[in-house]
Amino acid sequence: DAGITQSPRHKVTETGTPVTLRCHQTENHRYMYWYRQDPGHGLRLIHYSYGVKDTDKGEVSDGYSVSRSKTEDFLLTLESATSSQTSVYFCAISESVRDEQYFGPGTRLTVT
Amino acid sequence: AQSVTQLDSHVSVSEGTPVLLRCNYSSSYSPSLFWYVQHPNKGLQLLLKYTSAATLVKGINGFEAEFKKSETSFHLTKPSAHMSDAAEYFCVVRGANFGNEKLTFGTGTRLTIIP
Repeated sequence: DAGITQSPRHKVTETGTPVTLRCHQTENHRYMYWYRQDPGHGLRLIHYSYGVKDTDKGEVSDGYSVSRSKTEDFLLTLESATSSQTSVYFCAISESVRDEQYFGPGTRLTVT
Repeated sequence: AQSVTQLDSHVSVSEGTPVLLRCNYSSSYSPSLFWYVQHPNKGLQLLLKYTSAATLVKGINGFEAEFKKSETSFHLTKPSAHMSDAAEYFCVVRGANFGNEKLTFGTGTRLTIIP
């Protein structure tokens, strides 16, 4: 995994609680992405960032927000977790939007 | 908008026999195409990519894929399967037009290797 860490790696939380997942990179790549992986859906883009404080929505952004205050960190927040947000979350990075993406190890989130 | 269809959700082959994982794509423009592999409880690793150069693309671990525009296909092959190839494989398409470069993932093909 190309200098990408995610924390926590596993989390169990209750419905209605806020949750923040962190992605940290040491590659100084401009673009960072958050995906969720669910059986039968492949990976779907939640949000992405194209620079510090520059973010945009993906195809499944409802219920999620993101922030990027430093090049190396991209945070994904579930303001009020729901059971439908139980999933495996992957962070990815790329130098430009046209370069291949490199993925982190993932965070398994369970909302009970 | 682009899309990708992986034609088999599960493929089983015996060790030492060829592997074929099928992928068809849809894109309004000349796409970029990728294959990623995911081993159990791991992140995704890039196997190979096609970006409008040679139509036969060689990747890591002996895998290769051929871009066929007339068939809108990008099938992944390997001459001889190894036990370590057991994993899930994702075909991915990226749009070519400005403002639509995001990745679209297939639903994955789980490859099982029979000893």
